[in-house]
Amino acid sequence: GAGVSQSPRYKVTKRGQDVALRCDPISGHVSLYWYRQALGQGPEFLTYFNYEAQQDKSGLPNDRFSAERPEGSISTLTIQRTEQRDSAMYRCASSLFTAGGTWDEQFFGPGTRLTVL
Amino acid sequence: ELKVEQNPLFLSMQEGKNYTIYCNYSTTSDRLYWYRQDPGKSLESLFVLLSNGAVKQEGRLMASLDTKARLSTLHITAAVHDLSATYFCAVLNQAGTALIFGKGTTLSVSS
Repeated sequence: GAGVSQSPRYKVTKRGQDVALRCDPISGHVSLYWYRQALGQGPEFLTYFNYEAQQDKSGLPNDRFSAERPEGSISTLTIQRTEQRDSAMYRCASSLFTAGGTWDEQFFGPGTRLTVL
Repeated sequence: ELKVEQNPLFLSMQEGKNYTIYCNYSTTSDRLYWYRQDPGKSLESLFVLLSNGAVKQEGRLMASLDTKARLSTLHITAAVHDLSATYFCAVLNQAGTALIFGKGTTLSVSS
């Protein structure tokens, strides 16, 4: 079936604007993760959902960042009052079962490239 | 705090030769993952290593895990150009909620 999809693929915004990034996980996947990847670096964890419950948001850098997954499927990562330092690739991943279980291999989406001017 | 270190960060390989890249992590974890990333692309899962002594092989790549040493190796046999990419190792945190990634090793294969 289809993999993880993200939209938009590219987003250019002006400093101070709010942005919403969407992730559509693989159908049936219970767990959903958001990561941020700077150029030349590995992905950095932001937040984790088990079904609709946000079980770990320790990686969100500050209170301008929030995420939701209201029906346990599609998730939205929102950044309010964007700053230039928020510019990065934002990646979503999903896995079949809860992290730590046998089938917790994470499949990554193509990412949203955010540029804040 | 869980930290993951990879070395080398860059590796220029000659076709046909063997190489090893290393992944060290700082605290106990029993799950280690290797991903491949081509330029401008997403991350592709290569291996999931679930226990001490685990060894997995796919083509010219072989990954192993030593949880006591907190070390994983990715061995490349007879490098070919197709293997040029950035390889990341990642370790599952203790809470089981996040992958902690290394900085990646960029491999370049030349003839």
